[in-house]
Amino acid sequence: EPEVTQTPSHQVTQMGQEVILRCVPISNHLYFYWYRQILGQKVEFLVSFYNNEISEKSEIFDDQFSVERPDGSNFTLKIRSTKLEDSAMYFCASRWWGQGTDTQYFGPGTRLTVL
Amino acid sequence: SQKIEQNSEALNIQEGKTATLTCNYTNYSPAYLQWYRQDPGRGPVFLLLIRENEKEKRKERLKVTFDTTLKQSLFHITASQPADSATYLCARLSYNTDKLIFGTGTRLQVFP
Repeated sequence: EPEVTQTPSHQVTQMGQEVILRCVPISNHLYFYWYRQILGQKVEFLVSFYNNEISEKSEIFDDQFSVERPDGSNFTLKIRSTKLEDSAMYFCASRWWGQGTDTQYFGPGTRLTVL
Repeated sequence: SQKIEQNSEALNIQEGKTATLTCNYTNYSPAYLQWYRQDPGRGPVFLLLIRENEKEKRKERLKVTFDTTLKQSLFHITASQPADSATYLCARLSYNTDKLIFGTGTRLQVFP
């Protein structure tokens, strides 16, 4: 069964460094998302992406964050200058388009640790 | 603001019994409620979706209900097994948005 994949599974970085988290959505899906989950807290929406542009973003998704679909398969989240509070699990999700296809399928996540 | 509330206390039940988890929402009714399973250190895994105009949905041992009067969804696992032990997340999706709003999840522990 097709699934969303994410790399790396764990990323450790120093505060102020840039990180890029990578995702390969399910191949025929057209909508892409990033969510994050701080340890012990809720899964929170960051951004949605469709047709090569951001369709919606949350207050968390400030100028330090950006997303890109550099080719036909990858979807990336970049954090320009990481802060301690960016430490969290980051989940990529994707969704097909069409009637009755409202389900978002999540990847296994990347654990980001900012020191 | 739109919120999803789940009982944050763990639910402990014996194998073979039916587990019932509760999800309450605030403000207007969402278009959909979705239930996910999350194991420690893993991503949410989709289980069931129920639409606003549906009362009940079933899939194998799982059943979800949607009560717009009570602003509540119930998630049932019948004949529960230790392998069902996990955190179960409820999430809402409204008509004019594409973002899922999650609850904190309820941890289910099924013991033999």
